[in-house]
Parts: sequence; structure tokens; C-alpha cells
Amino acid sequence: DGGITQSPKYLFRKEGQNVTLSCEQNLNHDAMYWYRQDPGQGLRLIYYSQIVNDFQKGDIAEGYSVSREKKESFPLTVTSAQKNPTAFYLCASSVPRTSGSGNLLFGPGTRLTVL
Amino acid sequence: AQSVTQPDIHITVSEGASLELRCNYSYGATPYLFWYVQSPGQGLQLLLKYFSGDTLVQGIKGFEAEFKRSQSSFNLRKPSVHWSDAAEYFCAVGADNNDMRFGAGTRLTVKP
Repeated sequence: DGGITQSPKYLFRKEGQNVTLSCEQNLNHDAMYWYRQDPGQGLRLIYYSQIVNDFQKGDIAEGYSVSREKKESFPLTVTSAQKNPTAFYLCASSVPRTSGSGNLLFGPGTRLTVL
Repeated sequence: AQSVTQPDIHITVSEGASLELRCNYSYGATPYLFWYVQSPGQGLQLLLKYFSGDTLVQGIKGFEAEFKRSQSSFNLRKPSVHWSDAAEYFCAVGADNNDMRFGAGTRLTVKP
């Protein structure tokens, strides 16, 4: 079955450590996204990528980094520079609107807790 | 970049009553508009989307939304709410470069 996989579901890290969240899709989608969800703040865009080896910052990119070396993978690293990293992280992908879709499909999310 | 405002943080309606959730966007070109729903403990599911054409779009679960360019709005409606509609609803606006921004969400409570 095609879909988006995020692992792990729950992640605990000590303050000051970098951590990488995995996102894989087997949908052959070009665009991939990372959002952060906090209560009362909705989904805030961290980074998105339209194609391999290219990505753009969203509203809250500070303290995060990404890579897009393969079409199916878009890992997110939460660095020690991120002041408040505890949150629920959602990965998504989409087919371009020219293909008739354009809506995002979301993964199940990773809940990161920094102790 | 584009932005989305959902003015209502929390709405409570009685089961069987009608519902309207507000969404206002800011974008310089023709927007691509979406409504998603997130039920407790569930992932985000697309309810409906607007790209072009008829400004009244129908979605799943009996929802519809109307695009009003003059008001920069894309309000979500349902004529009769069911208890299972209790969830958080997110409006989103997409740009030509696939940039997609979401609102803060509206939490819907349904009273028996």
C-alpha cells in the first residue's frame, strides 16, 4: 500500500541533543513538507521541498535542518538551537496541482519530547 | 508568503444544528484552498478543495465550502451536524510553488 511513514511515533531526547525525524513516502510524490503542530497554533510550516536536492524555509525554520537526497525521503533534524522543540511533527507529501490533486497527504506524526 | 486566519478557536453547536466555520486568507494571486479535519487521535483528512471553477465546492461527510474572492474567504458549512463531526478543522491555502500554509484551527464541540 502507498503511504507516508514517520518513525518513530514517540521520541524522547535530552536537552542539547540533535535528533532526526524520519519521513518516507512511496507515492512517487514530488513535494514533501514538515509541519509542527502545537495546541492552539495549528500547523506551522517548517520546511518544504518541491524536488530532490531543493528545499525552502517555512515560517519557523530556525533551529531545524532538512535534506532531500532522494525523492522518497525527507528527514528533519531538530538541532540544539531550537529553543522549544517539544511538539508533534507532521510530514506530508503532495502531487502537483497540474496533475489534478495538489492536496497534502499526511503521515501519522512523531511526538518529540525533550527532557 | 500567503497566510490563513481562522477567527474562531472553539465552536459549540447542538447535534442537528447547522454549522459554519470561517476562514480568511491572504494571497496575492488565485489561491488554492483546502479544508482538513483532524479527529481526536487521528491524522488529518481532506474534506474538500477549491482550485478553480464553481465557487461552491462539495466535500466528504456532507460538508461544503464557498470561495468568495471579494471577501478573501472560504467558509466551511454543514446543514446538520452529527456527533461524529466533533473534531478540529483546519483551513489551508496553497501557492503556485506548492507552498502550503494552515490556519490555527477551529475546535468543534457537538452537544447532544
